[in-house]
Amino acid sequence: SAVISQKPSRDICQRGTSLTIQCQVDSQVTMMFWYRQQPGQSLTLIATANQGSEATYESGFVIDKFPISRPNLTFSTLTVSNMSPEDSSIYLCSVEGVQSSYNEQFFGPGTRLTVL
Amino acid sequence: RKEVEQDPGPFNVPEGATVAFNCTYSNSASQSFFWYRQDCRKEPKLLMSVYSSGNEDGRFTAQLNRASQYISLLIRDSKLSDSATYLCVAMDSSYKLIFGSGTRLLVRP
Repeated sequence: SAVISQKPSRDICQRGTSLTIQCQVDSQVTMMFWYRQQPGQSLTLIATANQGSEATYESGFVIDKFPISRPNLTFSTLTVSNMSPEDSSIYLCSVEGVQSSYNEQFFGPGTRLTVL
Repeated sequence: RKEVEQDPGPFNVPEGATVAFNCTYSNSASQSFFWYRQDCRKEPKLLMSVYSSGNEDGRFTAQLNRASQYISLLIRDSKLSDSATYLCVAMDSSYKLIFGSGTRLLVRP
């Protein structure tokens, strides 16, 4: 499977600020996704990051709050804008496996965000 | 009703035990199914894809029953290192992963 890295691994931010999270993959992948895992809960898909076009957002998530970039097939960013304590969560990127028969997805190590 | 439902556990079993996790999904159009393992404060790691005929990988066996919309994971000869949260996942027709809330497993010496 691809090697996926995320930066930063963790951050503590003040309310009202924004944080941009980077996701880097060591090979070209078609599909990249951003998920959120709130404390004690399972993962929820935020959006699909599309290369060369706008991201596709899931219900409850909007571009103004979570702008996403996907400049090429190995890199994506997710920005958490105008943060509030409710945004404290782990943010994970995932990619579809290369040459996968069942569309398996593999996850980056995550970014642990705490908003004060 | 949640799209993917799992018993949250925890399942507390001794080493060497056999343990089974069950999962149901509500979307009959779901295409693929997976079991992920998540350790505390770590990302989910793919454990198994679930094939329609059922599949085995060492001590792990996964089964899918499309008629009943039911997925299972069986772990034989449990090890201490199997302690983790096991996430049942369904993929819909747009490649979106729908996660269950996870089942915690604690394997004790």
